[in-house]
Amino acid sequence: QVQLVQSGAEVKKPGASVTVSCEASGYTFTRYYMHWVRQAPGQGLEWMGIIDPSGGSTNYAQKFQGRVTMTRDTSTSTVYMELSSLRSEDTAVYYCAKDGWQGAFDVWGQGTLVTVSS
Amino acid sequence: QSVLTQPPSVSGAPGQRVTISCTGGNSNIGAGFDVHWYRQFPGTAPKLLVYGTNKRPSGVPDRFSGSKSGTSASLAITGLQAEDEADYYCQSHDSSLRAWVFGGGTKLIVL
Repeated sequence: QVQLVQSGAEVKKPGASVTVSCEASGYTFTRYYMHWVRQAPGQGLEWMGIIDPSGGSTNYAQKFQGRVTMTRDTSTSTVYMELSSLRSEDTAVYYCAKDGWQGAFDVWGQGTLVTVSS
Repeated sequence: QSVLTQPPSVSGAPGQRVTISCTGGNSNIGAGFDVHWYRQFPGTAPKLLVYGTNKRPSGVPDRFSGSKSGTSASLAITGLQAEDEADYYCQSHDSSLRAWVFGGGTKLIVL
């Protein structure tokens, strides 16, 4: 079955960077875009950006421009999201989500909690 | 402040019908972009409930239905059940922001 498995929880200090991975299985990795979405504690969903696993092109939300980098490794069917210059407001659960029918996010990873604290 | 506006909460008794609204603008829902709905239980990832405004993925019961008119969309849930208590989010694309956008989420309370 289609599955997205993310890396484990992270604790980082302000100013540091974090990389979250998302390994896809059960479908042709290069055929579907992948999104990253985050959710701060008690808050709603926030779209961060999208990557085309085939060619590697990306489109980032303006809010994260300059701080986020999304990459992929087609040999392992894995996408990565790196967020730099972390601040306490970046404490959130980060999700990868597969682009599916008519642009809906049809499969989600289990989420990765990133805690930014001094 | 979310680009798509949802009520913070709605409530209904078991068996009743409730609707959750999602109001956007001329650069997203009003521009003809599809609206999708997700359900999220505490501590878990969101799950796709309705896509393309009114289509259901396999396994989603027909108690859930979506609609759209102008710059707004709605999710209707009939035959409300206790297990429907969750957070619901609408989502679309915005051409001005060149971004995918979510509503702020609605907590459904089953009385």
